[in-house]
Amino acid sequence: AQSVTQLGSHVSVSEGALVLLRCNYSSSVPPYLFWYVQYPNQGLQLLLKYTSAATLVKGINGFEAEFKKSETSFHLTKPSAHMSDAAEYFCAVSDQGGKLIFGQGTELSVKP
Amino acid sequence: EPEVTQTPSHQVTQMGQEVILRCVPISNHLYFYWYRQILGQKVEFLVSFYNNEISEKSEIFDDQFSVERPDGSNFTLKIRSTKLEDSAMYFCASSDVFGEAFFGQGTRLTVV
Repeated sequence: AQSVTQLGSHVSVSEGALVLLRCNYSSSVPPYLFWYVQYPNQGLQLLLKYTSAATLVKGINGFEAEFKKSETSFHLTKPSAHMSDAAEYFCAVSDQGGKLIFGQGTELSVKP
Repeated sequence: EPEVTQTPSHQVTQMGQEVILRCVPISNHLYFYWYRQILGQKVEFLVSFYNNEISEKSEIFDDQFSVERPDGSNFTLKIRSTKLEDSAMYFCASSDVFGEAFFGQGTRLTVV
């Protein structure tokens, strides 16, 4: 069975600071990994995805994530936070194209 | 840019009533999904649909739920005899063979 654990339900950073949102996964098959963002009262928007190509994945809005098989991790980073990055972020795993299994989500707050 | 469309955006229904949530997936996608997000909780997989039949369903998706693709464009989720605990945001998603799921804006279902 697949599962995702997001460490930290709430992360707060200052504007301009590094954003690091942690995600660890468990999968019995080579996983596909995703990060989605959800703004208040909106749907889920794909930030980036890993599908067994390059281990460092670049996404939209300056976010990137690195797949580390040895650590079963797929942490999301952004060098400099912007106020508009405040949202809920979900890490998800799938078995190469099927259903998505989501983590609990991390709410990112950005302080001026 | 193609998008997944869900209607209505908000549905209020009385306990025990039946509701139908509607989705128009992206036209060339082959896989369709329904997910649920109870307020403050993670997004949960309900059901996947491919080639006009259910391909996978979760434990949540019991006899109270059904899905249908009544024509070439719509994908519906029917919830019979609604309960208070069915109150949630319901997301429809669709994907092509490469597995990137595109989500709709969601339908907020409130059971009173």
